[in-house]
Amino acid sequence: SQQGEEDPQALSIQEGENATMNCSYKTSINNLQWYRQNSGRGLVHLILIRSNEREKHSGRLRVTLDTSKKSSSLLITASRAADTASYFCATGTLGNQGGKLIFGQGTELSVKP
Amino acid sequence: EPEVTQTPSHQVTQMGQEVILRCVPISNHLYFYWYRQILGQKVEFLVSFYNNEISEKSEIFDDQFSVERPDGSNFTLKIRSTKLEDSAMYFCASRPTDSGNTIYFGEGSWLTVV
Repeated sequence: SQQGEEDPQALSIQEGENATMNCSYKTSINNLQWYRQNSGRGLVHLILIRSNEREKHSGRLRVTLDTSKKSSSLLITASRAADTASYFCATGTLGNQGGKLIFGQGTELSVKP
Repeated sequence: EPEVTQTPSHQVTQMGQEVILRCVPISNHLYFYWYRQILGQKVEFLVSFYNNEISEKSEIFDDQFSVERPDGSNFTLKIRSTKLEDSAMYFCASRPTDSGNTIYFGEGSWLTVV
């Protein structure tokens, strides 16, 4: 199945450190998206990277995509306590005829002040 | 910033009852989705909807479930004869028609079946 799998499942770091989360998937995609979810809340879109892109930045976020290895990474630099949340990668083939995103299990990030 | 809104935020229902979860997608979006997340588990795709019909559904989305777009703004998920295992957070999402492909999610509706 077209499924993103994140690792690690849980990550605990100190404020100011960088956090790296990885995602692997199985089938061809045309885009990969990262979402954040605070406990009991909705999914907040962080960043989208297309299959023809290798790296993308947004503020303190850096996402890479290696389609040959079917993997992606999300780097959060200079982490803050407010970054504490679960992070999910979602892979999809989305187009004018529809499509969907498939989510991985997520990485639970804890940033200690 | 436009957002997907969902109601109710939390609903408790008796097993066997019918539930309707409501969503107002972002205006001018044309692709709509329902996902669910059982407590502590990953987000699972239920159904996608486009041009007034289901475009894709998962194995979870059986005859117990149905979706409807009763007017130009609402998108509903109906769960008939609820079971204990239907207890989950249900997320509505929408996507614009441009090439952005970002899917925007609502805050979710917590459903507790007792």
